[in-house]
Amino acid sequence: SYELTQPPSVSVSPGQTASITCSGDKLGDKYVCWYQQKPGQSPVLLIFQDTRRPSGIPERFSGSNSGNTATLTISGTQTMDEAEYFCQAWDSSTAYVFGTGTKVTVL
Amino acid sequence: EVQLVQSGAEVKKSGESLKISCKGSGYSFINYWVGWVRQKPGKGLEWMAMIYLGDSESRYSPSFQGQVTTSADKSTGTAYLQWSSLKASDTAMYYCAGWSKYDAFDIWGQGTKVTVSS
Repeated sequence: SYELTQPPSVSVSPGQTASITCSGDKLGDKYVCWYQQKPGQSPVLLIFQDTRRPSGIPERFSGSNSGNTATLTISGTQTMDEAEYFCQAWDSSTAYVFGTGTKVTVL
Repeated sequence: EVQLVQSGAEVKKSGESLKISCKGSGYSFINYWVGWVRQKPGKGLEWMAMIYLGDSESRYSPSFQGQVTTSADKSTGTAYLQWSSLKASDTAMYYCAGWSKYDAFDIWGQGTKVTVSS
């Protein structure tokens, strides 16, 4: 079965840039989306179709996808961005697989 | 407001059956695929199944095929997830989520916590 691997944790200082990777075989050939989940809350869609943001999502969140790696970048990280982040890929062969998740700590 | 509203928390014993629900409001979800996602305590998200509310076509993750059944009532815009015989390992939070034309789950329910004691 298809697997998406993320680093378990990322630490970033307030105002700096955090990059979260998501790795999978030929991931660049698939659409990737990203979700943010804060403790006790449902996930929220941050990025869809690799790079697009839903309305209401701050511009500091951006995405890219090429080769075997997709990346979520948080520019000017704020303390409110402390959360867990999950990537997800979809196509007819992978179905709707989620990544392993990355906890972002802002300190 | 467009939302998915899930049924309340459940406490069950091993071997019992269970059916949880997910109802759309503020929008007609009849042309939506609705997915079910499991999250065990302190763990990640696992896709379980999808169902198209319009005609109840369903798809399952190989990991969950045969373990759960999803169904739908298009007249009420409600999706269901059911177990015929729960196990303690089914203890988790279960989310429903709407799969948009943008290839992502763009609307999430509030989650249904299921606790199964042995």
